[in-house]
Amino acid sequence: DQQVKQNSPSLSVQEGRISILNCDYTNSMFDYFLWYKKYPAEGPTFLISISSIKDKNEDGRFTVFLNKSAKHLSLHIVPSQPGDSAVYFCAASAASGTYKYIFGTGTRLKVLA
Amino acid sequence: GAGVSQSPSNKVTEKGKDVELRCDPISGHTALYWYRQSLGQGLEFLIYFQGNSAPDKSGLPSDRFSAERTGGSVSTLTIQRTQQEDSAVYLCASSNIHYEQYFGPGTRLTVT
Repeated sequence: DQQVKQNSPSLSVQEGRISILNCDYTNSMFDYFLWYKKYPAEGPTFLISISSIKDKNEDGRFTVFLNKSAKHLSLHIVPSQPGDSAVYFCAASAASGTYKYIFGTGTRLKVLA
Repeated sequence: GAGVSQSPSNKVTEKGKDVELRCDPISGHTALYWYRQSLGQGLEFLIYFQGNSAPDKSGLPSDRFSAERTGGSVSTLTIQRTQQEDSAVYLCASSNIHYEQYFGPGTRLTVT
């Protein structure tokens, strides 16, 4: 049973527009969330994180929003650039100090020039 | 600086054979993790090392899977008597902070 779900396997967005990647989770004990980006033939790279004490965290063009009541988080990329084309994974854990993260299946983002 | 490296990048093996997958973590990283990603699935946690010891092996799917880490550095994941369901990409990561895991490029294992 998938505790972390990324229901959209793929997403295409025009360059300059906003990309919104969604992630849903089922375990109410999760309180720390990560987003990773993965290019082909490379390992995932850490992008941004958010703790459950916040509902928003921003880093440059990347913003993660957390809706605890809906058990939903989203990653916004604005403006989207062709170099953002990659697979994005969300991950969740029950504590920020833990090593064990549950990963979603990923969403492939394609930014069209 | 050098990132996490894994070898081989691709491995095709016959069912029933043993395979060894290698991970070279970033120098100085004390923690090392193994994950696997099967087709259409998310990353599945396998095992975590702190130094040379493995406090958590709970993700290893069966006793055919084992891993070791020597000198607080290189780690080897061994799969004995491979089965077709073992086909996946095996990813290794290292870190000093658990939420900032640096991943290697992975080893794609295909069991025929």
